[in-house]
Amino acid sequence: KAGVTQTPRYLIKTRGQQVTLSCSPISGHRSVSWYQQTPGQGLQFLFEYFSETQRNKGNFPGRFSGRQFSNSRSEMNVSTLELGDSALYLCASSFGLLNSGANVLTFGAGSRLTVL
Amino acid sequence: AQRVTQPEKLLSVFKGAPVELKCNYSYSGSPELFWYVQYSRQRLQLLLRHISRESIKGFTADLNKGETSFHLKKPFAQEEDSAMYYCALLVFGNEKLTFGTGTRLTIIP
Repeated sequence: KAGVTQTPRYLIKTRGQQVTLSCSPISGHRSVSWYQQTPGQGLQFLFEYFSETQRNKGNFPGRFSGRQFSNSRSEMNVSTLELGDSALYLCASSFGLLNSGANVLTFGAGSRLTVL
Repeated sequence: AQRVTQPEKLLSVFKGAPVELKCNYSYSGSPELFWYVQYSRQRLQLLLRHISRESIKGFTADLNKGETSFHLKKPFAQEEDSAMYYCALLVFGNEKLTFGTGTRLTIIP
């Protein structure tokens, strides 16, 4: 079955612009999480959605937002881009909630955002 | 707040030698610990989780609650083990993984 699909894979934006990244989870998976990966900070949790509800949010400013649709696909949006937002944004899906014990995250290939 | 520390950013080991990647965590309760691996030009993927008590690709990891550690070990390194390794922690009731900063393992032929 198809893995986690993220689009676009690469994009370049300028400061002040906004960007929307898309994530299609594995078929049947209902939980989608987003992480930011940078060389300096490593992997940092952005937010997690389950059944269209945001269940957890990391320590990122309000410029970072997301949503999940009824088909479990998710989008994240970053407004008023800053140079420091340049990163690889990873989406991961799981069948259910991570704390249910039997679920692990399957990661997508990521969307690499460069802010100039 | 919980934290995961991987003290080695880089680790080089000769092929056939034992490997140990260190991971320490700070959390007062009972966490669930994972090791994720990212091979060159591949996606981040789960290597093992402590509740499974599995040995994957020859790797094992034991949760030591007294030392709050979850070190990853392999008795004989292979060239295909070269990769980036991340230790991660999940806290009950909190739906997010907290990752360490990762260790880049290089196996020297």
